[in-house]
Amino acid sequence: QQPVQSPQAVILREGEDAVINCSSSKALYSVHWYRQKHGEAPVFLMILLKGGEQKGHEKISASFNEKKQQSSLYLTASQLSYSGTYFCGTEGGTSYGKLTFGQGTILTVHP
Amino acid sequence: NAGVTQTPKFQVLKTGQSMTLQCAQDMNHEYMSWYRQDPGMGLRLIHYSVGAGITDQGEVPNGYNVSRSTTEDFPLRLLSAAPSQTSVYFCASSPGGAGTQYFGPGTRLLVL
Repeated sequence: QQPVQSPQAVILREGEDAVINCSSSKALYSVHWYRQKHGEAPVFLMILLKGGEQKGHEKISASFNEKKQQSSLYLTASQLSYSGTYFCGTEGGTSYGKLTFGQGTILTVHP
Repeated sequence: NAGVTQTPKFQVLKTGQSMTLQCAQDMNHEYMSWYRQDPGMGLRLIHYSVGAGITDQGEVPNGYNVSRSTTEDFPLRLLSAAPSQTSVYFCASSPGGAGTQYFGPGTRLLVL
């Protein structure tokens, strides 16, 4: 079953922060985050494994709450280059080794 | 290192035609996958492979066939194209399991 992302879209000004959430109805082994620019392929940001792990990548970090089957992506002090569509991909339930992606969150950063 | 390559970049088909989308990777990854991307639907898994000679179905396998005769190549065949198969198709490879997915540039397919 496809994870649910929220919000569907967010508009920011440079320097503002944003949070993107990913929620699943099944027990998860891992959560992945990808960013896709318009007309391009998705690009890997980070993987979080079960255990309440939190990771960071420059000013982008994420957390994973396996008990709630939720992950959140935190973008701080946003830059114009952060614009794009963010996808979470989840691995869990009977789908070990396969990713199921959410519908995506469109992030637009304005000057 | 070319990474993951896909051909063609763009293709127009008529309903009922068949074709093969090519995918190749030079990273010696065992796992390869095919996704389709439609507006508002995210990426949906069509078929995947955990190694040469081993393939399995994803979420939306109907109308597509795959085979994996080598580690490098993972072609996707459309048996009889339908307008519902109009989409952007991405091939991805991964070193193992649900590890980091390295995506190819995509093939944009239009079925008339």
